[in-house]
Amino acid sequence: NAGVTQTPKFRILKIGQSMTLQCAQDMNHNYMYWYRQDPGMGLKLIYYSVGAGITDKGEVPNGYNVSRSTTEDFPLRLELAAPSQTSVYFCASSSGDRVLKPQHFGDGTRLSIL
Amino acid sequence: DAKTTQPPSMDCAEGRAANLPCNHSTISGNEYVYWYRQIHSQGPQYIIHGLKNNETNEMASLIITEDRKSSTLILPHATLRDTAVYYCIVRGPAYSGAGSYQLTFGKGTKLSVIP
Repeated sequence: NAGVTQTPKFRILKIGQSMTLQCAQDMNHNYMYWYRQDPGMGLKLIYYSVGAGITDKGEVPNGYNVSRSTTEDFPLRLELAAPSQTSVYFCASSSGDRVLKPQHFGDGTRLSIL
Repeated sequence: DAKTTQPPSMDCAEGRAANLPCNHSTISGNEYVYWYRQIHSQGPQYIIHGLKNNETNEMASLIITEDRKSSTLILPHATLRDTAVYYCIVRGPAYSGAGSYQLTFGKGTKLSVIP
């Protein structure tokens, strides 16, 4: 049972480059989330989705875009990478139609912008 | 969401039970207590959650006091792989907006399992 799979695990980008962080879940969860975690800090919600075709902004959406064309996939797009976007990015998913369901996380993508 | 207070660190001998406390004195009647942990360099891992009854699963037990102002996560036989930061989170029903979905992790308790 793969759960939530994130690729790549590590990436170094130059300032101004773009990339897509991939996230896929095989649990048929409706809800998916993107967080970033800076060193020694808690999680900050970037974007979330309550189902295919529906996305919404979280606490820190600037500089990012998402799409949700299928239930399984929720890619995060970085346009014009900046050093402030150096972070660990976690994707998560949860089931059901109530947000009290636990969130299940991938192992993260460690991104450095130089 | 109610505020939680946890000790910053704890040690536990391998094979012994690890008891991690959490205070949530401002918890509301419809708020649940969740526990997650984050092993170094990995994504947060859901452990268990409960409302007012004690809960047990394959990973841990959750004991919630009768007044619901505090709880204890119990790892019955701690192993070296249980070394992690453990987070106690209180969340209630969501109504609207991004804040309803965000998991807010405090500083947690760093549990060190000692051989």
